[in-house]
Amino acid sequence: QKEVEQDPGPLSVPEGAIVSLNCTYSNSAFQYFMWYRQYSRKGPELLMYTYSSGNKEDGRFTAQVDKSSKYISLFIRDSQPSDSATYLCAMRGVTGGGNKLTFGTGTQLKVEL
Amino acid sequence: GAVVSQHPSWVICKSGTSVKIECRSLDFQATTMFWYRQFPKQSLMLMATSNEGSKATYEQGVEKDKFLINHASLTLSTLTVTSAHPEDSSFYICSARGGLVDTQYFGPGTRLTVL
Repeated sequence: QKEVEQDPGPLSVPEGAIVSLNCTYSNSAFQYFMWYRQYSRKGPELLMYTYSSGNKEDGRFTAQVDKSSKYISLFIRDSQPSDSATYLCAMRGVTGGGNKLTFGTGTQLKVEL
Repeated sequence: GAVVSQHPSWVICKSGTSVKIECRSLDFQATTMFWYRQFPKQSLMLMATSNEGSKATYEQGVEKDKFLINHASLTLSTLTVTSAHPEDSSFYICSARGGLVDTQYFGPGTRLTVL
């Protein structure tokens, strides 16, 4: 079993829809949770950064972390065609491991007109 | 803020030659930089972690003599693919840890094609 599980998709939604992307994990030591967006042939771009449990909102994006369930989510409101990309969840513990990130496999999202 | 650049963005080379890729943090100092490899439709595979002024720590299965990493300053790390072969063709991405939010910020990637 992988440390981080993420549905690879592809996920196709109409423009304006609310998108829900999710990851589950098994390592209870993870404390920092991130979502990255990666366009084709580009490096990942940091979207959201969350410490421990709770919600965080930034514009159309909301990140949720439920440590009791080992489950994190990214919601995208009013989705746009420009949101079409691969979304990677990533997480790490507080110390140790050289602060390496553990990534999900990424979910490919397509927002259609 | 937290911008990371990579150069070159793409390179084509002949088998047996060496290729150097530069990674720079432009507006912050990065004590730690990471090098990843990514195959089409796959997630990032960490190759090595480098700290400024120290030897890089390589992940299991990554040949340190083939993938030479130098982290000479707080803003620059280089990856040299030595004696490149077609199987080394891939998308190489660096990241730098630091910035306002203490996490990894990624460069735009370098596409290497070895003929």
